[in-house]
Amino acid sequence: EDKVVQSPLSLVVHEGDTVTLNCSYEVTNFRSLLWYKQEKKAPTFLFMLTSSGIEKKSGRLSSILDKKELFSILNITATQTGDSAIYLCAVGGGGGADGLTFGKGTHLIIQP
Amino acid sequence: DTAVSQTPKYLVTQMGNDKSIKCEQNLGHDTMYWYKQDSKKFLKIMFSYNNKELIINETVPNRFSPKSPDKAHLNLHINSLELGDSAVYFCASSQDFYGSFSYEQYFGPGTRLTVT
Repeated sequence: EDKVVQSPLSLVVHEGDTVTLNCSYEVTNFRSLLWYKQEKKAPTFLFMLTSSGIEKKSGRLSSILDKKELFSILNITATQTGDSAIYLCAVGGGGGADGLTFGKGTHLIIQP
Repeated sequence: DTAVSQTPKYLVTQMGNDKSIKCEQNLGHDTMYWYKQDSKKFLKIMFSYNNKELIINETVPNRFSPKSPDKAHLNLHINSLELGDSAVYFCASSQDFYGSFSYEQYFGPGTRLTVT
């Protein structure tokens, strides 16, 4: 059974800190790893990584995938209160219609 | 324009009833999905549909049945509702299917189902 494990499950930091969220996975046929941000409603897409060692960056957020060690990290620098959310890691395997296997998420709280 | 929409947003009903949740996407995507998010915020795939065919069906009770009248719609019917069905149900869609590496899925706003 495909498995995605995120750590930590929750994290409280102060505004301006840098945080690193972790995601490890075991899937039978890895295709891609995705990061989502979920605030009050639906998850919103952040990054998709398919190649090992390539960093994706968008503003203060960046992510890297290590396909050899089967993990990914999501970094957020100079955190702001608006970054408070649940960050979900998901892995796709097989064809696109196999859906995504999600981790349980990291609940990030940024204190002013 | 809303890319993936769901109705209703909230649904409160009694045990034993039958209900439906509708989903529509205007992205021209090939594949649509239903996910269930439990009280601990854990998202789990229930179904996916590609070209009107059910591709996967995870271990969900057969009281749940997806119905796709066309490529842009995937509705979820639930018969004989139980207390444990209370959750948020998300519809999603993606462009790609076999042979592609793109798994970017766009999610609807969710339907919060409460069974009393």
